[in-house]
Amino acid sequence: GQNIDQPTEMTATEGAIVQINCTYQTSGFNGLFWYQQHAGEAPTFLSYNVLDGLEEKGRFSSFLSRSKGYSYLLLKELQMKDSASYLCAVLDSNYQLIWGAGTKLIIKP
Amino acid sequence: DAMVIQNPRYQVTQFGKPVTLSCSQTLNHNVMYWYQQKSSQAPKLLFHYYDKDFNNEADTPDNFQSRRPNTSFCFLDIRSPGLGDAAMYLCATSRDGGAAGANVLTFGAGSRLTVL
Repeated sequence: GQNIDQPTEMTATEGAIVQINCTYQTSGFNGLFWYQQHAGEAPTFLSYNVLDGLEEKGRFSSFLSRSKGYSYLLLKELQMKDSASYLCAVLDSNYQLIWGAGTKLIIKP
Repeated sequence: DAMVIQNPRYQVTQFGKPVTLSCSQTLNHNVMYWYQQKSSQAPKLLFHYYDKDFNNEADTPDNFQSRRPNTSFCFLDIRSPGLGDAAMYLCATSRDGGAAGANVLTFGAGSRLTVL
């Protein structure tokens, strides 16, 4: 079966750095997405990786290793507004999006 | 601004009373999706349309139906809601269902369904 694993919950301090990991086992691979979802709201697109390496976008960076079936989302200079769930999703060989359950990130002052 | 709009944002219904949720988009995207999301769970794909081609996920209950009368609008009908259907229903669009880079989803704000 197809599977995406993420930690259920993480806690970090305002101003710090946090890394949210995602491992996947899917039928083929056509890209990996990270979405941010604030409580009670819809997910919003953060990043997309299809080749190995690091993609940087402001305070957020996303890394991919296809050989290891692994990605992480790195958030720097954490702000209180970064408290949200972060969802990892993989596009499989049939262009179906396989979603993880999300990692709830709690930021403390 | 181009966007995806869902109505209503909040819907309360009684057990067994039909509900229709609507979604409209001004992005002119080819693909529209309906997801069900329960608390702390991954979004679960119910249906998607590529243009007018309808794709039903194998495990979507018959209780859920969908219509896409034109490019801009899509509806989700829940014929006889049960307590287990209480969830957030998310409509999303993407430019194209094929090429990976065109698969970035734009979501509406969601419709939260409560079943009494």
